[in-house]
Amino acid sequence: RKEVEQDPGPFNVPEGATVAFNCTYSNSASQSFFWYRQDCRKEPKLLMSVYSSGNEDGRFTAQLNRASQYISLLIRDSKLSDSATYLCVVKTEGSSASKIIFGSGTRLSIRP
Amino acid sequence: NAGVTQTPKFRILKIGQSMTLQCTQDMNHNYMYWYRQDPGMGLKLIYYSVGAGITDKGEVPNGYNVSRSTTEDFPLRLELAAPSQTSVYFCASSLNRDRGYGYTFGSGTRLTVV
Repeated sequence: RKEVEQDPGPFNVPEGATVAFNCTYSNSASQSFFWYRQDCRKEPKLLMSVYSSGNEDGRFTAQLNRASQYISLLIRDSKLSDSATYLCVVKTEGSSASKIIFGSGTRLSIRP
Repeated sequence: NAGVTQTPKFRILKIGQSMTLQCTQDMNHNYMYWYRQDPGMGLKLIYYSVGAGITDKGEVPNGYNVSRSTTEDFPLRLELAAPSQTSVYFCASSLNRDRGYGYTFGSGTRLTVV
């Protein structure tokens, strides 16, 4: 089993739709979780951190389910500009350094 | 602020050649990282550094070397380029172990080995 797994997609949804995707992780000791966005041929950029209580940033909502070991990203009222690959990132603190694992990404395409 | 700056943006190497990918950050971050990203794949950690003078191997270190003589700079060296090293390379930095803070990435170096 991969340490971090994502559905590669692509998710192809119409503008204005709500879309959600999950990311599962295998290490129950993982402590920090992030969603990154990566546009085609660009570097990943931090979209949002994922907090235990769940958090919202405008149209984006991130949630963490520790019992089932997954995080989710919900995008409401999707825009054409939301088309990108969304990377799930799981961070585990070690005694000397953090271990960070990137998922391979979920590709989202918003159509007019 | 410039953030994380990588050079060059593109490079074509012949098999067996060597080169250094440069990475500089101006955010006074202690942690720096080198990743490679193959098409359709996630990022794989090559090497990382927790501070000046300290480096350690990541998941895929073979064929690469790094050094960290200053907080700002973290160059990645390819000694004998191979076609398997064709990839996009990203340098990143982060602020210690702050849980709420993620990475800042450079814009990447697209390397082709022919």
